[in-house]
Amino acid sequence: EPEVTQTPSHQVTQMGQEVILRCVPISNHLYFYWYRQILGQKVEFLVSFYNNEISEKSEIFDDQFSVERPDGSNFTLKIRSTKLEDSAMYFCASSASQGGEKLFFGSGTQLSVL
Amino acid sequence: QKEVEQNSGPLSVPEGAIASLNCTYSDRGSQSFFWYRQYSGKSPELIMFIYSNGDKEDGRFTAQLNKASQYVSLLIRDSQPSDSATYLCAVTPDNYGQNFVFGPGTRLSVLP
Repeated sequence: EPEVTQTPSHQVTQMGQEVILRCVPISNHLYFYWYRQILGQKVEFLVSFYNNEISEKSEIFDDQFSVERPDGSNFTLKIRSTKLEDSAMYFCASSASQGGEKLFFGSGTQLSVL
Repeated sequence: QKEVEQNSGPLSVPEGAIASLNCTYSDRGSQSFFWYRQYSGKSPELIMFIYSNGDKEDGRFTAQLNKASQYVSLLIRDSQPSDSATYLCAVTPDNYGQNFVFGPGTRLSVLP
């Protein structure tokens, strides 16, 4: 069964460092998303991406964040200068078409900022 | 601010019983409603979705939607210990959106 793959599964970084979280969406999917979940809190929408551009972003997704689809298979989330409060599980998701029931989540990257 | 509210639990039920999970949402324009199951440290897993008022059944799961009351629920019949997880309610503003607003989740514990 096809799946959304995220690497690494755990990332530890120092405050102020840049991190790139990587995702390989399912191959024929067109819509891409990043969500995050701070420990013990809600899953929060960060950004959606379609046709090589951001289609929607939340208030969380400020200038420190960026997304990119550098080639035909990868979808990345970059945090330019990490803060302690960026520590969270980051989930990538993708779908072939619109409709919430068609969204597939990856297994997540646990980011720890020290 | 669009909010989705759930009782945090834990909700404890004995094995074989019916578990009832509730969710309310603030945006009256919400159109699509989802229940996800999340095991600790894992990603959300879709259990049910419902778009129209009324009930929708899938195996042991029934989702109920009342848009007038801005309320959606999930019933789990014949609860099993493997159902023990956190259940997340999520809504989207339209039938096509995938930008979910999630609730905080209700932790369910099914006791053997």
